[in-house]
Amino acid sequence: DVKVTQSSRYLVKRTGEKVFLECVQDMDHENMFWYRQDPGLGLRLIYFSYDVKMKEKGDIPEGYSVSREKKERFSLILESASTNQTSMYLCASSQTGTAQETQYFGPGTRLLVL
Amino acid sequence: ILNVEQSPQSLHVQEGDSTNFTCSFPSSNFYALHWYRWETAKSPEALFVMTLNGDEKKKGRISATLNTKEGYSYLYIKGSQPEDSATYLCAFRGYGGSQGNLIFGKGTKLSVKP
Repeated sequence: DVKVTQSSRYLVKRTGEKVFLECVQDMDHENMFWYRQDPGLGLRLIYFSYDVKMKEKGDIPEGYSVSREKKERFSLILESASTNQTSMYLCASSQTGTAQETQYFGPGTRLLVL
Repeated sequence: ILNVEQSPQSLHVQEGDSTNFTCSFPSSNFYALHWYRWETAKSPEALFVMTLNGDEKKKGRISATLNTKEGYSYLYIKGSQPEDSATYLCAFRGYGGSQGNLIFGKGTKLSVKP
């Protein structure tokens, strides 16, 4: 079974702090994704990566950066956390090259920025 | 901007009721349509990936149909059980663009009362 793990289920940070959210997948997937989910809105793509050291902006990249130094690990960085970044963050991974290309999700990190 | 709409937003049914909900997506440039189930405190879990017009998929009491010409998919649950309570997400993938990117609807939240 594909496993996607995220470093924390719940996180409380203060405004201005630098925040790291870590995601690890164990299925050698090329693609990895970071989403945020807010009440009344669908999953919105922040950044994705299709290979080590490669990244592309999603729909809402402002205020975030990412790092992919190893294939299995994709980090989301909030350089200076703000209260409007309070949200549920979901990581996902998928295998390139199939029409199916199902995304497999982690359990999410609920971040509260005070 | 591509739009994926799901209706209804939420649904409350009694145990044993059958139910269905709708996902509407752009009818041009279709590549695949994904359905996910997201139970509270768990990871979103893939239910179906549908790629061909007229596709019908089934998994136990849950089935889905696809009409790519008119841009909609239905998800049916026969004889709903309390364990079916979850948010059901659909996600559209079009040709071109970046690999594996899915555009998610806001979801339909199903509550099944015993």
